[in-house]
Amino acid sequence: QSVLTQSPSVSAAPGQKVTISCSGSTSNIGNNYVSWYQQLPGTAPKLLIYDNNQRPSGIPDRFSGSKSGTSATLGITGLQTGDEADYYCGAWDSSLSAVVFGGGTKLTVL
Amino acid sequence: EVQLVESGGGSVQPGRSLRLSCITSGFTFNVFSISWVRQAPGKGLEWVGFIRNKDYGETTEYAASVRGRFTISRDESKSIVYLQMNGLKTEDTAVYYCSRRGGNYATSDFWGQGTLVTVSS
Repeated sequence: QSVLTQSPSVSAAPGQKVTISCSGSTSNIGNNYVSWYQQLPGTAPKLLIYDNNQRPSGIPDRFSGSKSGTSATLGITGLQTGDEADYYCGAWDSSLSAVVFGGGTKLTVL
Repeated sequence: EVQLVESGGGSVQPGRSLRLSCITSGFTFNVFSISWVRQAPGKGLEWVGFIRNKDYGETTEYAASVRGRFTISRDESKSIVYLQMNGLKTEDTAVYYCSRRGGNYATSDFWGQGTLVTVSS
């Protein structure tokens, strides 16, 4: 059971928009920054979003992040088949003194 | 080019030890903290721990599941981070990734390719 809660799967058609949610508590998302990672099949995770809504260099603006209270959202617009991957949210948990991840959301681009 | 390369994985019996290495290059090693994250087969990401840089005393933090069994250390002269794993359990079976902490505690901006550790009798 992950400390951060994500829906197991989401799907959408190419070109469409999808949102992936991540729910936590005041000890993690509520008072700390959220990061998002993309993991393509058989590869290492890749940083997509940090500090709630910042994109690292090289990440297209099709990817966006937001946070409200104890929840965070990853948005992906203009879906491409290459976006099919597992997406994870992560945050520091001040009560556990640990980095916590969501269980991951599998994105299928139909 | 920033690179992190893990090595040292393999098969080991329960109760035994293993040491993983994370060989880094392409960045100023002593400025950055380094994290370890693992992923059991077919499962999600699980944070293992990290080691801060020299300015923060090379202090460490660990997940509750490994605290007291795993130790992270770093060799500044070689730009290598180690994960010493003692008292291994079957549930420690996973791909182990090292990553560079790029800012806040949960941000890893560069990752290695991972090394598989299998704990089985």
